[in-house]
Amino acid sequence: DAGVTQSPTHLIKTRGQQVTLRCSPKSGHDTVSWYQQALGQGPQFIFQYYEEEERQRGNFPDRFSGHQFPNYSSELNVNALLLGDSALYLCASSPGQGFGGEYFGAGTRLSVL
Amino acid sequence: AQSVTQPDIHITVSEGASLELRCNYSYGATPYLFWYVQSPGQGLQLLLKYFSGDTLVQGIKGFEAEFKRSQSSFNLRKPSVHWSDAAEYFCAMDGGTSYGKLTFGQGTILTVHP
Repeated sequence: DAGVTQSPTHLIKTRGQQVTLRCSPKSGHDTVSWYQQALGQGPQFIFQYYEEEERQRGNFPDRFSGHQFPNYSSELNVNALLLGDSALYLCASSPGQGFGGEYFGAGTRLSVL
Repeated sequence: AQSVTQPDIHITVSEGASLELRCNYSYGATPYLFWYVQSPGQGLQLLLKYFSGDTLVQGIKGFEAEFKRSQSSFNLRKPSVHWSDAAEYFCAMDGGTSYGKLTFGQGTILTVHP
């Protein structure tokens, strides 16, 4: 079992660009949550996808959007990148309506220049 | 609003010494509580979780945590620290009705001296 996999591992973008991050959940998991972890901070909840719908959302602007595919994999899109979007983006997967934090991926490190 | 506070930003202990990392939460009811460990550049690994029942929870790698409702605390402990325990530790909570939306503390960096 590959666990939760995220791609790419590192990414460098410039201000104003758009970025797409990808997450494949652990086998058998149908719920994907995304978190942003700024340097020196704890992760902050961005949103969660279940049955291809955004089920709940944290306090992030509309520039952050997502998608879940029929195979339960998910994408996080960020438009009009700001320097402050530089962070480690973590994906967590879980089965259905259960506890959502058992399995995290290693993250994607985004640097915005 | 729910929140998690980890009062200690950085803790240094000697190898073999005991460890206690503090965590306090703010929530109107009893939350689900968790501790995670993160090594540099890595994702989060779940150490242990508390949902209900016995307030002393055993986890992986020899860690345990105790839930104290009266103090709104969920402190992490280990009787004897190993050099490999050096990492950053995060306490987190889930209000129980939010389908796994976790609120994290700011983390405690653990340094272990030989």
